[in-house]
Amino acid sequence: NAGVMQNPRHLVRRRGQEARLRCSPMKGHSHVYWYRQLPEEGLKFMVYLQKENIIDESGMPKERFSAEFPKEGPSILRIQQVVRGDSAAYFCASSPPSGGLQETQYFGPGTRLLVL
Amino acid sequence: SQQGEEDPQALSIQEGENATMNCSYKTSINNLQWYRQNSGRGLVHLILIRSNEREKHSGRLRVTLDTSKKSSSLLITASRAADTASYFCATITGNTPLVFGKGTRLSVIA
Repeated sequence: NAGVMQNPRHLVRRRGQEARLRCSPMKGHSHVYWYRQLPEEGLKFMVYLQKENIIDESGMPKERFSAEFPKEGPSILRIQQVVRGDSAAYFCASSPPSGGLQETQYFGPGTRLLVL
Repeated sequence: SQQGEEDPQALSIQEGENATMNCSYKTSINNLQWYRQNSGRGLVHLILIRSNEREKHSGRLRVTLDTSKKSSSLLITASRAADTASYFCATITGNTPLVFGKGTRLSVIA
């Protein structure tokens, strides 16, 4: 059973460009979470999605950031008009249909975004 | 605000010694989880302990939870060089998402 997959693993963008980060949850998992990690910091929650629904986006910046988890295909975290402060590691996690937030989350390897 | 705070921020021990990391939190929780992160990698789930549990074991790992003191500890016995990593506690309160601390950076010297 493959784990959570994220791609790309590394992404370099210039200021003003768009960044698209992809996450494929573990097989059978229908809950996806996105986190951001700055150097020497813990992970900060961004958004929690189920298929075709955003459940909690309280950690998402109000502008330029959006996330989706379509019926088919991976979850996408999209950052428009990137700025240097967006440089960070972005992690995706998934959990099975039962339990949701209360249960163990399985993390992907992360996407390291560098904005030049 | 940060819910879980790990202590110490950094810990360096010799191989074979035990390593103890602590986590304090501010509000009542449903459960507390410990994760490990190797440098440049994703997080690996270690143990989940629920608010009505006091202690859990998994191999060389022992986690305790004291809800009266709002604290948890992670003990790694007989440490190995491969245990070198950052360790994070994360808490769940109600239906709020996982809240992570800043982590303890453990170095195990061979």
